[in-house]
Amino acid sequence: GQQLNQSPQSMFIQEGEDVSMNCTSSSIFNTWLWYKQEPGEGPVLLIALYKAGELTSNGRLTAQFGITRKDSFLNISASIPSDVGIYFCAGPNAGGTSYGKLTFGQGTILTVHP
Amino acid sequence: EAQVTQNPRYLITVTGKKLTVTCSQNMNHEYMSWYRQDPGLGLRQIYYSMNVEVTDKGDVPEGYKVSRKEKRNFPLILESPSPNQTSLYFCASVTSGEQFFGPGTRLTVL
Repeated sequence: GQQLNQSPQSMFIQEGEDVSMNCTSSSIFNTWLWYKQEPGEGPVLLIALYKAGELTSNGRLTAQFGITRKDSFLNISASIPSDVGIYFCAGPNAGGTSYGKLTFGQGTILTVHP
Repeated sequence: EAQVTQNPRYLITVTGKKLTVTCSQNMNHEYMSWYRQDPGLGLRQIYYSMNVEVTDKGDVPEGYKVSRKEKRNFPLILESPSPNQTSLYFCASVTSGEQFFGPGTRLTVL
């Protein structure tokens, strides 16, 4: 099946720093989704991207759909302690648009020190 | 309140003892999914359902069964659990733009 490679696997940063993480695939995706999972909870959708080159913001979060359609980036500006969690990229399998069948990246574990 | 509920939240069982994890959603969504989450592997899809009586395998279906007899419920069945099925399981209810995840079920198979 399709694979999404997410990096870095973990990050330890100081409050106030900016964060960047990315996700790459060997095949084309038509949609990129970024999720955050807080401890003891299920993942929650942060940003959805639907078009190559698209740049979308949600508060301090900005995500981009790569031009090649094989990668996506998530940036968090001025991090705060509540940004702690696991961040996942995801996309519909086989380059489709069905949200019923998703592939997830391995996740980036973010720790923010006050 | 729109929500996805799973039961039980925690379960410790022994090898071979059949178990069912229930999932229910109140959003009238057609799509529902089951995932397992393991350290370093992210979430991997087990099964998904496009509507009542319509299900399909995800990436890791071996050792699992599902059923979708009514729209709101999508139980996950382990007929003969084994230790390698120890994991954190999430049910999700899906609409066109988003997957709504349940709170998770932590299963330990001894």
